[in-house]
Amino acid sequence: DTGVSQDPRHKITKRGQNVTFRCDPISEHNRLYWYRQTLGQGPEFLTYFQNEAQLEKSRLLSDRFSAERPKGSFSTLEIQRTEQGDSAMYLCASSLINEQFFGPGTRLTVL
Amino acid sequence: KNEVEQSPQNLTAQEGEFITINCSYSVGISALHWLQQHPGGGIVSLFMLSSGKKKHGRLIATINIQEKHSSLHITASHPRDSAVYICAVHTGNQFYFGTGTSLTVIP
Repeated sequence: DTGVSQDPRHKITKRGQNVTFRCDPISEHNRLYWYRQTLGQGPEFLTYFQNEAQLEKSRLLSDRFSAERPKGSFSTLEIQRTEQGDSAMYLCASSLINEQFFGPGTRLTVL
Repeated sequence: KNEVEQSPQNLTAQEGEFITINCSYSVGISALHWLQQHPGGGIVSLFMLSSGKKKHGRLIATINIQEKHSSLHITASHPRDSAVYICAVHTGNQFYFGTGTSLTVIP
């Protein structure tokens, strides 16, 4: 048990719908990362927060994706107008310095 | 072009064999991580390296900063070591990941 939790663990949605995922990091960790992983690939960086500030966002990330970490604790990742290509595992990780602790991920399937 | 390249992509070994997985990277890094991912998606951090060598049980990780290369070794491999091993590098605010090495250890 890494201490990072994600909700939901699985999400099936129809194309065009909006979805929101939640990540609860380890409580004392000030850094929070979102990644996306498709089958057979390594994780792909999406965005990074230090406390409540979003410091980095992948250039590959569509405008349909938005993330927040309003109080510097939990974070949400929203995907608007989902597309079939958004189907993937969405991973959250938190860290204090460099070592990351990963959550179990949210598997999104867009039909 | 990937910032992180791993080899081999797939590896099958007999139980007891010594295993080496290689990682090369092309960016300046503050740290390199070796991760283990089991079927079902859970990722566990094995090592974080910025120089030299680390050992944990049967696992050994080395890094050569000048050559931008790291290796993960597994001694006396066991079927429970079967997993995907991922190399990741930290470059300040971003992480770059390799595509992983899928290891299968046969009894």
